[in-house]
Amino acid sequence: RKEVEQDPGPFNVPEGATVAFNCTYSNSASQSFFWYRQDCRKEPKLLMSVYSSGNEDGRFTAQLNRASQYISLLIRDSKLSDSATYLCVVNKIGRDDKIIFGKGTRLHILP
Amino acid sequence: DVKVTQSSRYLVKRTGEKVFLECVQDMDHENMFWYRQDPGLGLRLIYFSYDVKMKEKGDIPEGYSVSREKKERFSLILESASTNQTSMYLCASTQARTGELFFGEGSRLTVL
Repeated sequence: RKEVEQDPGPFNVPEGATVAFNCTYSNSASQSFFWYRQDCRKEPKLLMSVYSSGNEDGRFTAQLNRASQYISLLIRDSKLSDSATYLCVVNKIGRDDKIIFGKGTRLHILP
Repeated sequence: DVKVTQSSRYLVKRTGEKVFLECVQDMDHENMFWYRQDPGLGLRLIYFSYDVKMKEKGDIPEGYSVSREKKERFSLILESASTNQTSMYLCASTQARTGELFFGEGSRLTVL
């Protein structure tokens, strides 16, 4: 099983709709989780951290399910500007600290 | 505002040439990383450094070396470029080893 897995998409979603994607991770020792956003031909940038209690930032909600080892990102009322690739990042902290990136999920918001 | 600066946005080199990619961060971060990103393969870690003059191999170090002589600067070196090293190269830094990563804008290298 890959360390971090994401559906590559693309997700083609009409403007205004709600879209959600998941990311699964294999190492139960993973301790911190993030969603990054990457626009075409640009560098990744942090979108939001994912906390155990779940967290919300405007139209974006991130959740963590440790029992099933996945994190999710929900985007409500999607905008054209939300079109991007969303990267799941899992950090394993321990003797060998490691930052593990998923390959990303492409999202296209359709007018 | 935090800043990670990569020296070249676009480079075209010939097979066998030596290539230097430089990265400078102004955040006094101890931890710096070099990744390459290819379609369908995602971000892959080449080398990283947790301190000056310290370097560790990542997942795909073959064909690459690095240098960290100063805290703010982390250089990636391709001793003899090959066509399979055509890629987008991304430098990143972070204060905590597993905290938020700050990326440079990337260097798109084409090896002919």
